[in-house]
Amino acid sequence: DIQMTQSPSSLSASVGDRVTVTCRASQSISSYLNWYQQKPGKAPNLLIYAASSLQSGVPSRFSGSGSGTDFTLTISSLQPEDFATYYCQQSYSTPRTFGQGTKVEIK
Amino acid sequence: QVQLQESGPGLVKPSETLSLTCTVSGSISGHYWSWIRQPPGKGLEWIGYIYYSGSTNYNPSLKSRVTISVDTSKNQFSLKLSSVTAADTAVYYCARRPSGSYGQVDYWGQGTLVTVSS
Repeated sequence: DIQMTQSPSSLSASVGDRVTVTCRASQSISSYLNWYQQKPGKAPNLLIYAASSLQSGVPSRFSGSGSGTDFTLTISSLQPEDFATYYCQQSYSTPRTFGQGTKVEIK
Repeated sequence: QVQLQESGPGLVKPSETLSLTCTVSGSISGHYWSWIRQPPGKGLEWIGYIYYSGSTNYNPSLKSRVTISVDTSKNQFSLKLSSVTAADTAVYYCARRPSGSYGQVDYWGQGTLVTVSS
């Protein structure tokens, strides 16, 4: 199985901050990397697919980059509704695997 | 707009079989349909998916206990997980992976909590 490791596990940030979350795969996954946002009690919501493609309806302050084993999710200016947990997921091979999550909290 | 809705018992006894159904609004044809679970307070685990034509792919860690099936006439797909234990207690999500995509999951059900307890 491909192991996905996110860092940090949690972070505290203020509204307006630029926030970066990283995800590392245990082997190359090309650009088969997706990012999801999950709020408490809700299903995950797709933000970014194919490492850098913005899902329809997702604000442009979200962006993704990377290929191979190292990937980044960036929120350019954190908004109150962005406080949530973020997961990366590889879709290069099965079984599909997720990172452990990064919780973004209010500072 | 695609909508998915999970249904099934919220409580299952240890050693019994967990059975859930996902009803899809819109056509089930042409896409892959997934089950993903999340134990309380923990991360996401992919269980498996089924193509609308019936081919399946399961997580090896669960493969011996999992069956995913599809009924295109009812726009439904289902999950059966046998010999459950407390470790199978989780919120179970059904979801769609679009065909021809990068494998991302673009639509999710709201999730249903299944507790394994006697």
